Amino acid sequence: DSGVTQTPKHLITATGQRVTLRCSPRSGDLSVYWYQQSLDQGLQFLIQYYNGEERAKGNILERFSAQQFPDLHSELNLSSLELGDSALYFCASSNGGAGYGYTFGSGTRLTVV
Amino acid sequence: ELKVEQNPLFLSMQEGKNYTIYCNYSTTSDRLYWYRQDPGKSLESLFVLLSNGAVKQEGRLMASLDTKARLSTLHITAAVHDLSATYFCAVDDRNNDMRFGAGTRLTVKP
Repeated sequence: DSGVTQTPKHLITATGQRVTLRCSPRSGDLSVYWYQQSLDQGLQFLIQYYNGEERAKGNILERFSAQQFPDLHSELNLSSLELGDSALYFCASSNGGAGYGYTFGSGTRLTVV
Repeated sequence: ELKVEQNPLFLSMQEGKNYTIYCNYSTTSDRLYWYRQDPGKSLESLFVLLSNGAVKQEGRLMASLDTKARLSTLHITAAVHDLSATYFCAVDDRNNDMRFGAGTRLTVKP
């Protein structure tokens, strides 16, 4: 157990729907990162939050949004889902120090049908 | 924009052989990370390299960093089947923003 908890582990939904993925960072970590991993695009950085505030944005679609709550857990909202959104979504956390890099959760596998 | 390139992207090795995976990056950084990912699983941290000339070893894997050349290597010695996985390097651009390479899918054959 890495200490980063992601739920749900698997999600199957229809096109056009909206889903929410949840991440609880490792205890003491203030930063949360979201990544999308698909077969053809590799590991894509979506967005970073630090202590409740958005810190960096990557290749995140406008249909996607995220937030980090006061208890530091984060949610990634995906709306108007398309078949191409099917992927593994990882959350990672860090304490900002260079010594450990990121700790990854086990991921949420999203399948859009 | 920070770019991270790994090569090769696919590597098929015989057990017992040695090989090296290369990771080049485009901007100044002295923070380089290697991760391992098994199919359908999460990313597991292997090495953290934080200075020029840093070398770390764990079992049959050894990672090094040359910040002047903007190059890190992951050397595999006497490969065994259990090392079959995808290996990612990642670079921290000091804006607390980590960029990953495309990954090297390693298959070790008996």
